[in-house]
Amino acid sequence: SAVISQKPSRDICQRGTSLTIQCQVDSQVTMMFWYRQQPGQSLTLIATANQGSEATYESGFVIDKFPISRPNLTFSTLTVSNMSPEDSSIYLCSVLRGDTEAFFGQGTRLTVV
Amino acid sequence: GQNIDQPTEMTATEGAIVQINCTYQTSGFNGLFWYQQHAGEAPTFLSYNVLDGLEEKGRFSSFLSRSKGYSYLLLKELQMKDSASYLCAVMDSNYQLIWGAGTKLIIKP
Repeated sequence: SAVISQKPSRDICQRGTSLTIQCQVDSQVTMMFWYRQQPGQSLTLIATANQGSEATYESGFVIDKFPISRPNLTFSTLTVSNMSPEDSSIYLCSVLRGDTEAFFGQGTRLTVV
Repeated sequence: GQNIDQPTEMTATEGAIVQINCTYQTSGFNGLFWYQQHAGEAPTFLSYNVLDGLEEKGRFSSFLSRSKGYSYLLLKELQMKDSASYLCAVMDSNYQLIWGAGTKLIIKP
């Protein structure tokens, strides 16, 4: 299984500030994804992080709010910008290996106050 | 549109068997996944089906019928630690995972 290190594991942030979440994978992977999971709900895909080009965002998510970097095949960051209490959620990075297995980071529990 | 349906919540007794169903309608199909997620933790991979039939892995088995757009996860000899949410996800033609809302499984002694 892929080892994915995601940090921070949790943070409490003031509204209006930004938080950058990092995801490091132990091997090169083609596809990396960023998800959000509201309490008691399933995962919602924010974007697909593409190496060397802009991320592909899902409907309802925009680059200005959730800028993503993917400088190489083992690392990506997601920034939650200008945060509001509605952004309080768990954020998860995920990778696909061999098109058949999806692995997740430990998640970042974000609380905006 | 794309849609994954699974029951919201199920209750079962320790030592018993439970079947969690999942039906799907997606644009293309490249396999169906089941994940287990304990509260406050990331999902962990349980099974992957791409061909029709039953895949058995210890106490857990997963079944797929592509013609019916249907899958189930079967858990045998239930243990208290099996209390968790179980997520069904389908990989569509773009190799993106479409997620169900999850089934919260409550195990009672």
